[in-house]
Amino acid sequence: DAGVIQSPRHEVTEMGQEVTLRCKPISGHNSLFWYRQTMMRGLELLIYFNNNVPIDDSGMPEDRFSAKMPNASFSTLKIQPSEPRDSAVYFCASSLAIKPGTLNTGELFFGEGSRLTVL
Amino acid sequence: GNSVTQMEGPVTLSEEAFLTINCTYTATGYPSLFWYVQYPGEGLQLLLKATKADDKGSNKGFEATYRKETTSFHLEKGSVQVSDSAVYFCALRGGSYIPTFGRGTSLIVHP
Repeated sequence: DAGVIQSPRHEVTEMGQEVTLRCKPISGHNSLFWYRQTMMRGLELLIYFNNNVPIDDSGMPEDRFSAKMPNASFSTLKIQPSEPRDSAVYFCASSLAIKPGTLNTGELFFGEGSRLTVL
Repeated sequence: GNSVTQMEGPVTLSEEAFLTINCTYTATGYPSLFWYVQYPGEGLQLLLKATKADDKGSNKGFEATYRKETTSFHLEKGSVQVSDSAVYFCALRGGSYIPTFGRGTSLIVHP
C-alpha cells in the first residue's frame, strides 16, 4: 500500500522565493497534519485538517505560511516569501479520525519529509 | 492542555544492554498513548501503542505499559541492537484529537 507521499524530498532556494510543499495522504484517511522539525524546536504542529477543513492553524508561524487541502487526496504548504529561519524538515502525516467506541486509535502515518534549505 | 515529557538524550548504550526511556504525560480524559521511532533521514513511524490503563504495547522487542496511576508510558527493551539507533518519540492522542508529541530521545547503540 502506498504511504503518505511528499514532494519534493529536498528543496534549496534563496531567501525571498516562494516554496510549495506537497502531500498526498493515505487513501481513506480524513485527517491531515503538517509538522515542522528542527533541532532547536523539535517537532512542531503547523496545521491540522479534518475532512479537508482546517481545524487548527494556531501553529502556523506567520502570514508567510499558508496551507490548503482542496480535496481528500492532496494538500499543499506554501511559504512566501521564504526566509533562512524557515530551513527545516517539513512532514505531512495522515490518519483516520478518532471515533469513540471503535478500534481506531488515530495513529499517524508520516511521509518521509521535505528538507527545505533557504539560503 | 495536554503535554508529554520524555527524558533528555542522547542515551548511549552498548549492544545487548537494557533500555529504558521515560515518558510521562498530562491529559484530560483517557488518551491513547504511542511510541514512534524515527530512523535517520526518514519520517516517524509507529512503534507501539496502548489504548487504556494497564494495556501493554509491544513490537520488535520493545514494550511499554499504560500506567494511569503514574501517568507514565515508559519504553523498554531487554537487549538493544545497533540497528535500534534512532530517535524515539512518546505521544498521546485524546479527546482534542490533536496529537501531542514529546521532544524525542536520541538513542545511540555502540557495537
